[in-house]
Parts: sequence; C-alpha cells; structure tokens
Amino acid sequence: GENVEQHPSTLSVQEGDSAVIKCTYSDSASNYFPWYKQELGKGPQLIIDIRSNVGEKKDQRIAVTLNKTAKHFSLHITETQPEDSAVYFCAADPQTGANNLFFGTGTRLTVIP
Amino acid sequence: NAGVTQTPKFRVLKTGQSMTLLCAQDMNHEYMYWYRQDPGMGLRLIHYSVGEGTTAKGEVPDGYNVSRLKKQNFLLGLESAAPSQTSVYFCASSLHGVVTEAFFGQGTRLTVV
Repeated sequence: GENVEQHPSTLSVQEGDSAVIKCTYSDSASNYFPWYKQELGKGPQLIIDIRSNVGEKKDQRIAVTLNKTAKHFSLHITETQPEDSAVYFCAADPQTGANNLFFGTGTRLTVIP
Repeated sequence: NAGVTQTPKFRVLKTGQSMTLLCAQDMNHEYMYWYRQDPGMGLRLIHYSVGEGTTAKGEVPDGYNVSRLKKQNFLLGLESAAPSQTSVYFCASSLHGVVTEAFFGQGTRLTVV
C-alpha cells in the first residue's frame, strides 16, 4: 500500500518567516495530494490540495509544489502568523478505489511572535 | 449549519465493554468515514460508506463495526473494547469521495482501561 512520510515532525519559525513541510510517497499511482491543518482540539481542515497534472498551486500565503518524478510534494507558508500554529498533515490518494487517503504523521508548526 | 457533529466527545471504557460513537452531518454528503488518530501515526481509515445502506472496510477495520441506516448518520461500534483501541476517533464526510474536500468532526477521545 501507499506509504507517506512527512518531515519535519516539529518546526518553529519566527513570525513573518517562511515555513516548509515536505512529504514523500511511495505509490506512483497516487494523483491527489491534500494538506490538512489541525488546530488544538479540532478536527483536520483542508487548506490546499494539488492534483498530479499540476506542478504548483498557490492560495494567498500558502503554496504546494509537486514533483511526480521524485514522488515528493511540499507545503510552503510565507509571512507566517501566530494563527498558523497548528499540526499540518499531508496525504495521498493511491487511486485504489478504496476511498482511502494515506496520511503523513504530521508536523507541529509553532510560529513565535 | 453544524457540519459534522460527533457524540460523545470523551469516553472512558473498561476492557470488554461496548459502545457506539455517533456521527451526524447536515451537508447531504454521500461519503462518510471513520478515522482513528494515534500519536506519531497520522490518521488511519477504519471504515467508510459511499451512501445510505452501504459500508466498506478501510485500512484498520478489525474490532470495529459500522452502520449507515440514514444518509446523515454514520455509527461506529466497538463490541468488546481493548486497550489498543485507545485513540482519538474522527468522523468525516465528503461529497464525492476522497478527491473532494473532507469535512471532519471535532473528534472523540476514547480511553480503554
């Protein structure tokens, strides 16, 4: 099955700096890669996603890049703010028809004011 | 508009006891999911449903059963709880499967002693 690895597990940045979280996946059939943000005591919430026919996607301060050849994708957050502090999860859909997203192990981002 | 609501939010069970977790969504979504979240392991799919009256196994289904008698509700049952089932459980729903945004509930923290 699909295996998604996520790094780093924790990340601290100063407010205003950029943050980058990286994920790799194993199944070349995967073609959908969402990123979820989980705030303390809440369920995960989709913040951005990318499909395999696109190399990069941007939404205001958040961007995701995808390299299908290398099987890795990354989340970039620019001009970080304290409200960006949360746990971020990447995921991949290997298109098995089983309706299963395979999640990374999460990155706890702390933005220091 | 409540989105996805999980009941209860916290529960402590003794080994061997049974319980049912209730998930309700008011977005008229076809797909519903139950995930468990364990430290250092991300989210793993337990069971899912592609519509009223249907259920299917996910990645880690053993020890759990589900039912979807009504479109808006998805129940997760533990017939004989074990300490290994101590986890945070999340319900989610989506309109058209994993490649569309999944909306998560706030989670149920279950401890089996």
